[in-house]
Amino acid sequence: DGGITQSPKYLFRKEGQNVTLSCEQNLNHDAMYWYRQDPGQGLRLIYYSQIVNDFQKGDIAEGYSVSREKKESFPLTVTSAQKNPTAFYLCASSWDRMNYEQYFGPGTRLTVT
Amino acid sequence: QKEVEQDPGPLSVPEGAIVSLNCTYSNSAFQYFMWYRQYSRKGPELLMYTYSSGNKEDGRFTAQVDKSSKYISLFIRDSQPSDSATYLCAMSATNFGNEKLTFGTGTRLTIIP
Repeated sequence: DGGITQSPKYLFRKEGQNVTLSCEQNLNHDAMYWYRQDPGQGLRLIYYSQIVNDFQKGDIAEGYSVSREKKESFPLTVTSAQKNPTAFYLCASSWDRMNYEQYFGPGTRLTVT
Repeated sequence: QKEVEQDPGPLSVPEGAIVSLNCTYSNSAFQYFMWYRQYSRKGPELLMYTYSSGNKEDGRFTAQVDKSSKYISLFIRDSQPSDSATYLCAMSATNFGNEKLTFGTGTRLTIIP
């Protein structure tokens, strides 16, 4: 089955701790994206990557970091510098020239207390 | 003012009714217009996309774009309880992987059996 997997589904952390969210795809897509979804707000882009070892900041990159060492994997680290980390995080991928057709993972709900 | 405005609802309609969902936008550079459906606690999935103006039909779904009015719509005919979900509009100026999608906040739809 082709698709995107995110783990874990629910994550709880104490304030001040870094946490890494996993995203893996086996669709052979070039581009991968990380979004954050909060109630009453649209999806907001955190980071995106078009090719391995290259990634770009999105609209709300502060307090987050990513890596793209393999085409299939695009992990997101939420650092202690992120002021409001509690949110629903979504990973997506697409062909490079088809950004309109993004395939999303099931999401990770992060709660920081 | 947000680039994309979408009524958050919630919208409740009886089964079998025609549903109309809408978004307005301000950026005249947008050329790709998408509708994503998101079930509760899941990632969004692409429902339809339209390039430039006009109508596009897929089964019970019709997407309509009016670039002169900067207004897009999604119509659902013969609505079913399984259509109950949040519908997100999204837009992009190009189809390249480095072009971000701008999402609306989503409209929560409930179809009452």
